[in-house]
Amino acid sequence: DVKVTQSSRYLVKRTGEKVFLECVQDMDHENMFWYRQDPGLGLRLIYFSYDVKMKEKGDIPEGYSVSREKKERFSLILESASTNQTSMYLCASSSILGQKELFFGEGSRLTVL
Amino acid sequence: GQQLNQSPQSMFIQEGEDVSMNCTSSSIFNTWLWYKQDPGEGPVLLIALYKAGELTSNGRLTAQFGITRKDSFLNISASIPSDVGIYFCAAFNFGNEKLTFGTGTRLTIIP
Repeated sequence: DVKVTQSSRYLVKRTGEKVFLECVQDMDHENMFWYRQDPGLGLRLIYFSYDVKMKEKGDIPEGYSVSREKKERFSLILESASTNQTSMYLCASSSILGQKELFFGEGSRLTVL
Repeated sequence: GQQLNQSPQSMFIQEGEDVSMNCTSSSIFNTWLWYKQDPGEGPVLLIALYKAGELTSNGRLTAQFGITRKDSFLNISASIPSDVGIYFCAAFNFGNEKLTFGTGTRLTIIP
């Protein structure tokens, strides 16, 4: 069974803390994505990566950075968490071949106090 | 970044009713997708549409790719309790790896 695994389902952090959200996929996909999901706003793309050590800004990259040291792993980093980063974070991956279907992880719900 | 306009934002229906939702854009896309997100889970692909005018079914779900390539529709017939969740449309153009998502339609079934 294909799988995208996010390291934490629920996190609570304090303002100013550094936060790491980890994502691992076992499908040998080239593309990996980080989205945040907020009520009424749908899914908004934060960052994506086409290849190892490669990253591209999405629509809302401010306050975030990413790391892709290995093909299967894509990390989202909040250098100094703020309350407006309280959200559901979804990782996804897709192949450059075939029909571009995105496979999503289960999500990480982050609360910043 | 651009987003897709999805409506309605929420629906409250009784079991057995049919459901319709749609997605529109000011831009042309050559692929439309529909995803469903169960509570507490990530979205899962329901239907993919690759040709303007295409009508595709997946069980009780039917989706259409609009002729103008600027819209898509999803219908669910004879709704059942497990249909509850958030439905997202998404679209992209070949050569662009990023999907654009709609804002979602939250479906609730009233007992």
